[in-house]
Amino acid sequence: QVQLVQSGAEVTKPGSSVKVSCTASGNTFSNYNINWVRQAPGLGLEWMGRIIPLFGTTNYAQKFQGRVTITAAESTSTAYMALSSLRSEDTAIYYCVRDLGGPADYWGQGTLVTVSS
Amino acid sequence: QSALTQSPSVSGSLGQSVTISCTGTSFDVGSYYRVSWYQQSPDTAPKLLIYEVSHRPSGVPARFSGSKSANTASLTISGLQPEDEADYYCSSYTSYTTFYVFGTGTKVTVL
Repeated sequence: QVQLVQSGAEVTKPGSSVKVSCTASGNTFSNYNINWVRQAPGLGLEWMGRIIPLFGTTNYAQKFQGRVTITAAESTSTAYMALSSLRSEDTAIYYCVRDLGGPADYWGQGTLVTVSS
Repeated sequence: QSALTQSPSVSGSLGQSVTISCTGTSFDVGSYYRVSWYQQSPDTAPKLLIYEVSHRPSGVPARFSGSKSANTASLTISGLQPEDEADYYCSSYTSYTTFYVFGTGTKVTVL
């Protein structure tokens, strides 16, 4: 059974960085892309970027270019999303998603990141 | 890249059918079959209902169906059930540098 388990909630200060992890169970980690999607309180879903672990290739939404870095470690079946220069508007739940929009689509439980002084 | 446009809310009585539309452009919905629909209940992660315009993953009830015409995708819930009360989002691959775009979301209320 597929599981994507994300790291716990974070409280950070404006201007700092955060790194969220997403660990996949099963042996299919490298077979699918891993996307990161965020949802601000009471608002909709926003795609941030993705990685194809098998090749290490990444794509980022233009809005986050220069602030987001997505990496993956095949040895531990873990993907990471790092976001820098945090501001209050980055307060959101961050989700990792396998194969977004495809037949193997599966979401992590979400990680709340709170940016507050 | 703007979000795909959805009606903010839709309501229907128990057993009725409702349709949620998702309007994009020729750069996203109109050009790709990577159009999907999600259901999100409060305090939970979104759940895939439809992928590639009209395909249902195993375990999703047959009352959920998807279609697409030109730049607009649609999700139909045939025979509303109390547990269908939730927020629904569409998403599409896009040729913009954003790669994926989501809809603005529709709240479904079962009367």
